[in-house]
Amino acid sequence: DADVTQTPRNRITKTGKRIMLECSQTKGHDRMYWYRQDPGLGLRLIYYSFDVKDINKGEISDGYSVSRQAQAKFSLSLESAIPNQTALYFCATSDTYEQYFGPGTRLTVT
Amino acid sequence: RKEVEQDPGPFNVPEGATVAFNCTYSNSASQSFFWYRQDCRKEPKLLMSVYSSGNEDGRFTAQLNRASQYISLLIRDSKLSDSATYLCVVAPNAGNMLTFGGGTRLMVKP
Repeated sequence: DADVTQTPRNRITKTGKRIMLECSQTKGHDRMYWYRQDPGLGLRLIYYSFDVKDINKGEISDGYSVSRQAQAKFSLSLESAIPNQTALYFCATSDTYEQYFGPGTRLTVT
Repeated sequence: RKEVEQDPGPFNVPEGATVAFNCTYSNSASQSFFWYRQDCRKEPKLLMSVYSSGNEDGRFTAQLNRASQYISLLIRDSKLSDSATYLCVVAPNAGNMLTFGGGTRLMVKP
C-alpha cells in the first residue's frame, strides 16, 4: 500500500464550487505539505503543517484553506474554485529534508 | 527572478550518452540541495542529495558550487529509463522547506 495517498485522483469542477482534496499518510511523519504544480513553474507551496495544531501559509495560499485533522491527515479546500486553480496538486510528508509525495490530484476548474 | 532556475530542455540524447544539467539558486544563505526525479504524470521522488564535496551514486554525480550558487547533475551512460524531468531543489534554511526549480526534461532515445 502507498505511504501517502490522495483523493480524488482526478476532479473536474465548475467555477464557484467548493472542493476538498484529501491526503493521508502512514509514514508517521509530523510534517505535511500541499503543493501545486503548473507547467514550467515547478512545485509551489500552498500550506504546510508541522504538527496537528500547526498551520502555516506557503508561497501561494490565497484562495485555499487547510485542515490538519490528525497526524495522518491533511486536507486542502478551495472555497470557491476559479479556472486559474486548474493544476496538479501534490501532498507531501517529511521527517527530515526528504519529502515523500502522494500520487497527485489533477484538478480542472471550468 | 526565480529562486531556483533550470533550463527546461528537453535534452534529447542517445542511449549511452553523458548528459549534464545545471541549476542556479538566488538565496546565498541556502543550506541544503537536492535533485528530485519526476516521471511523467507521477509524483517527484528524491534522486540524491548534493554535498559541498560533490557526491556520486552509480551513474549519477552531483556537484555544488556555493561561490557561484550553482548545482549540477551529471548522468553517465544514459539509459532509456533515465527519461524523466529532473527537479533542482534548495532548502533555504534550517527547516525543511523546499524550493523547487521548474525542472529539466530528459529524453533518452534508442
